[in-house]
Amino acid sequence: EVQLVESGGGLVKPGGSLKLSCAASGFAFSSYDMSWVRQTPEKRLEWVAYISSGGGSTYYPDTVKGRFTISRDNAKNTLYLQMSSLKSEDTAMYYCARHPSTGTRYFDYWGQGTTLTVSS
Amino acid sequence: ENVLTQSPAIMSASLGEKVTMSCRASSSVNYMYWYQQKSDASPKLWIYYTSNLAPGVPARFSGSGSGNSYSLTISSMEGEDAATYYCQQFTSSPLTFGAGTKLELK
Repeated sequence: EVQLVESGGGLVKPGGSLKLSCAASGFAFSSYDMSWVRQTPEKRLEWVAYISSGGGSTYYPDTVKGRFTISRDNAKNTLYLQMSSLKSEDTAMYYCARHPSTGTRYFDYWGQGTTLTVSS
Repeated sequence: ENVLTQSPAIMSASLGEKVTMSCRASSSVNYMYWYQQKSDASPKLWIYYTSNLAPGVPARFSGSGSGNSYSLTISSMEGEDAATYYCQQFTSSPLTFGAGTKLELK
């Protein structure tokens, strides 16, 4: 059974940093592209980072480029999202999500999410 | 950015009623994807490549469309279908989602 379990969320002050983790199991993690997607308190979904299966390619939307860094450790079956210079608008539930195959740009499995609150 | 506009934002349907919701893209897309989300749960893939049902999705669901206009249809509403449905595209970067259609049971 595919499982994605996020952790690391919490309360952070504006300008602060935080690193999220996503532990994957039940599939060959190193063979799959992965992304982070967030859901705002207003329930809007926003893609925030993508990484290829080997980690060699990463992409971000302009809203987080330069502040967020996605990475992965295929030996540990773990995906990460390093977030810095956090703003109140980064407050959201953060999901890790799997792309079903190389080159696909939709998501077949999502984790349960971890919540980030950015507030002073 | 390719903006996806979903309509209606909220709708209600009776058991057995046919349901259709729309997703319009500001720029033409090749495919549309749909997700179902129920309260306090993460989104689930529902329809991929415009018209393919994800594993486990009941056959009363269907997806269609092309260009800028796509739709999700339920042939006969059942109680378990009450949820929010989001469309998503990635013909053009960045990958974007619609704001969702919340479907309620009347």
